[in-house]
Amino acid sequence: DSGVTQTPKHLITATGQRVTLRCSPRSGDLSVYWYQQSLDQGLQFLIHYYNGEERAKGNILERFSAQQFPDLHSELNLSSLELGDSALYFCASSVAPRSSYNEQFFGPGTRLTVL
Amino acid sequence: GDSVTQMEGPVTLSEEAFLTINCTYTATGYPSLFWYVQYPGEGLQLLLKATKADDKGSNKGFEATYRKETTSFHLEKGSVQVSDSAVYFCALRSRDRDDKIIFGKGTRLHILP
Repeated sequence: DSGVTQTPKHLITATGQRVTLRCSPRSGDLSVYWYQQSLDQGLQFLIHYYNGEERAKGNILERFSAQQFPDLHSELNLSSLELGDSALYFCASSVAPRSSYNEQFFGPGTRLTVL
Repeated sequence: GDSVTQMEGPVTLSEEAFLTINCTYTATGYPSLFWYVQYPGEGLQLLLKATKADDKGSNKGFEATYRKETTSFHLEKGSVQVSDSAVYFCALRSRDRDDKIIFGKGTRLHILP
């Protein structure tokens, strides 16, 4: 158990819909990262938040957005869903960016299926 | 940009065989290197890591050495078990502002009893 929790574990929805994935980082971790794992693209970095502020964006679609709240949990919002958005979405946390601990701890993931 | 290349799978071995999964990287500076493992139906677990050249990461009988001269971080295990069947990802953590982890495509390992 990494200490990072993600809900829900599974999500099934239809094209055009909007969903919200939730992540709670390990206690004391200020950085939250979101990754997408799909069959064709592999594991890709989406976005990084540090202490409530967006720090970096990766290959994140404009239909996707995220935020980190004062209690440090984060939500990834996916809208106008397409079949190709079906994937496993991971959240990871670390103490701080580029910290000496230099390790990200991954949650169990949310499996999104778009029908 | 930074990237990780690892050997394609699947790799099928008999129990107690020797395992090597090759991994090479391209990066500016000196990234930290990792091997993650994903068991069927589960999330990503950190298997081992190395943060500087010549460091050797080890865990559960697996080892990998950070080789700066060959930009490699090959995963090895002397005697695999059926329970090692999983997908293994080589990865690096960038030292730029993104602070993201860049993963290889993964290598699926099947161990036969």
